[in-house]
Amino acid sequence: QLQLQESGPRLVKPSETLSLTCTVSGGSISTDNYYWAWIRQPPGKGLEWIGSLYYSGSGYYNSSLRSRVTISVDTSKNQFSLNLSSVTAADTAVYFCARHVRLERNGDYGSIDPWGPGTLVTVSS
Amino acid sequence: EIVMTQSPATLSVSPGERATLSCRASQSVGSNLAWYQQRPGQAPRLLIYGASTRASGIPARFSGSGSGTEFTLIISSLQPQDFALYYCQQYHNWPPLTFGGGTKVEI
Repeated sequence: QLQLQESGPRLVKPSETLSLTCTVSGGSISTDNYYWAWIRQPPGKGLEWIGSLYYSGSGYYNSSLRSRVTISVDTSKNQFSLNLSSVTAADTAVYFCARHVRLERNGDYGSIDPWGPGTLVTVSS
Repeated sequence: EIVMTQSPATLSVSPGERATLSCRASQSVGSNLAWYQQRPGQAPRLLIYGASTRASGIPARFSGSGSGTEFTLIISSLQPQDFALYYCQQYHNWPPLTFGGGTKVEI
């Protein structure tokens, strides 16, 4: 069973870069069938998609964050990472990593499943 | 960007009752819609994809319907563990993937 786990600093100072890593276990990240995604959820608010990356390195980003976001993949470690630069308090959120359907499977063209448990990152001095 | 709107924001129901949740898209998304359940302190869990197909392991009391711009999630007989937040998400026209604002199902 595929599992994902986020890791990284829980506290980041304003103007610095938020860096998180997602470790994938129970399956290979080097698959044609899926993207690897980051989604975030500010405290008490809804879900915001950040971006999705194919293992080859090509990907898609939310234009609202595009200038500050980098998502990368390390196939040797079965991990993918998120870097969000120039953070402010508005970037305080629970950050989830997840698997995102890329090629149709049983009529599914793009759902997100499974998700990591999430990690709360607070931006504060 | 396709905007997803969920209603109501909060739904108060009793255990054993039926809950009906709505999701509307600002333009057609075909059947490219998913529903997720999020319990407090947990990650979202996929319930429905393709607007009406239950994900693996999801009980039959969850059913999805709709196409185009109007979608419904029905929980036929609420169990204690079903009191949670529910989100819809479109993947028809992206980026960006977009989620609705959520419906809280409370006792």
